[in-house]
Amino acid sequence: AQTVTQSQPEMSVQEAETVTLSCTYDTSESNYYLFWYKQPPSRQMILVIRQEAYKQQNATENRFSVNFQKAAKSFSLKISDSQLGDTAMYFCAFMKHGYGGATNKLIFGTGTLLAVQP
Amino acid sequence: DSGVTQTPKHLITATGQRVTLRCSPRSGDLSVYWYQQSLDQGLQFLIQYYNGEERAKGNILERFSAQQFPDLHSELNLSSLELGDSALYFCASSVAPGGGTSITDTQYFGPGTRLTVL
Repeated sequence: AQTVTQSQPEMSVQEAETVTLSCTYDTSESNYYLFWYKQPPSRQMILVIRQEAYKQQNATENRFSVNFQKAAKSFSLKISDSQLGDTAMYFCAFMKHGYGGATNKLIFGTGTLLAVQP
Repeated sequence: DSGVTQTPKHLITATGQRVTLRCSPRSGDLSVYWYQQSLDQGLQFLIQYYNGEERAKGNILERFSAQQFPDLHSELNLSSLELGDSALYFCASSVAPGGGTSITDTQYFGPGTRLTVL
């Protein structure tokens, strides 16, 4: 079974600074996706970034980038130029590639609560 | 706005009662997922439907059931409610049920329904 671990329950960063959130996962699968979702105080789950396991290049989306280390099963999220609106709970999630149309449920970590300080 | 809609936003009911949560997927998405977010269990996958058919079950109680209709909207029925069923229930949708690409398999979440059982 796959597991996702986020070892940092809470983090804090000053506005305009850079912060990195950690995530490790355990799987015997070779083809999968990894995601970061954010959940602001509104409780909406918002996709931040995704990474395909077969791609060596790290994904980037504006101020958000990942450091994907497949051998180490590590998937950290870097937020540059942090903004007050980045304050949220961040969830790392794993999805097995569903060959032949098998289910692709998301398996979530426990989350990291990020507070951006003015 | 993800394009996934859920109603109602809030629901307060008593133990032993039955409620129905409704979800409309993004336009063009055929796959619908239900997740439960509670303080003690975190985010957990409940059930998946694809084009009207049940695709996979997760940690869904026998008191819970779901269906997806021909217009692709989905309903999650919760019966004989207990205090422990109080949680945030999310619906998510994707184009494909799995086995596609990172784009077709990515899940987008609705705003959630907060259920409070008194």
